[in-house]
Amino acid sequence: AQSVAQPEDQVNVAEGNPLTVKCTYSVSGNPYLFWYVQYPNRGLQFLLKYITGDNLVKGSYGFEAEFNKSQTSFHLKKPSALVSDSALYFCAVRDSGATNKLIFGTGTLLAVQP
Amino acid sequence: NAGVTQTPKFRVLKTGQSMTLLCAQDMNHEYMYWYRQDPGMGLRLIHYSVGEGTTAKGEVPDGYNVSRLKKQNFLLGLESAAPSQTSVYFCASSSTGLAANEQFFGPGTRLTVL
Repeated sequence: AQSVAQPEDQVNVAEGNPLTVKCTYSVSGNPYLFWYVQYPNRGLQFLLKYITGDNLVKGSYGFEAEFNKSQTSFHLKKPSALVSDSALYFCAVRDSGATNKLIFGTGTLLAVQP
Repeated sequence: NAGVTQTPKFRVLKTGQSMTLLCAQDMNHEYMYWYRQDPGMGLRLIHYSVGEGTTAKGEVPDGYNVSRLKKQNFLLGLESAAPSQTSVYFCASSSTGLAANEQFFGPGTRLTVL
């Protein structure tokens, strides 16, 4: 069965410092991986995706993610965190049995302190 | 464009009451989804639709019904609400093909069942 794991419930980082939000996956076949962000009292927004090609994927708001096949990871990164980046981040993988469906992780709350 | 809208934003029900949540999208998307979000559990798919007149069960369909009579609308019904259905409900829509997993989410409906 496919799944994604986000091992950290919360990540705290100071403004201006680099941030990493971790995600590992378990899929059969090639993974299609995604990051979504949820700001308070809002729906989720698509950030970026990995389908194939370059292992470093760039997305919205200066975020990027690194696909690592040997470690089955897809960590979200940003070189310099902003207070406005504080939100709930979800990693997701496409369901190989039904390609229009996503399987979401449990989410990681990112708190950026001024 | 309004994107994905949900009605109502908040609702309180008593156990055994029924209600319908309405989702509307103006992006001419084929696919639509209903999720519930609970603390520590991420997003779980309730039902989804791959086109007008079609629906399918997701991960947690029990206690819910859906209908997609028009392409732009996707209704989620609770026939006899239970406290376990207290949650935040999100509707989403997407295009087809590789864009199927870039889902657009509504703002959510916060439902409390007493």
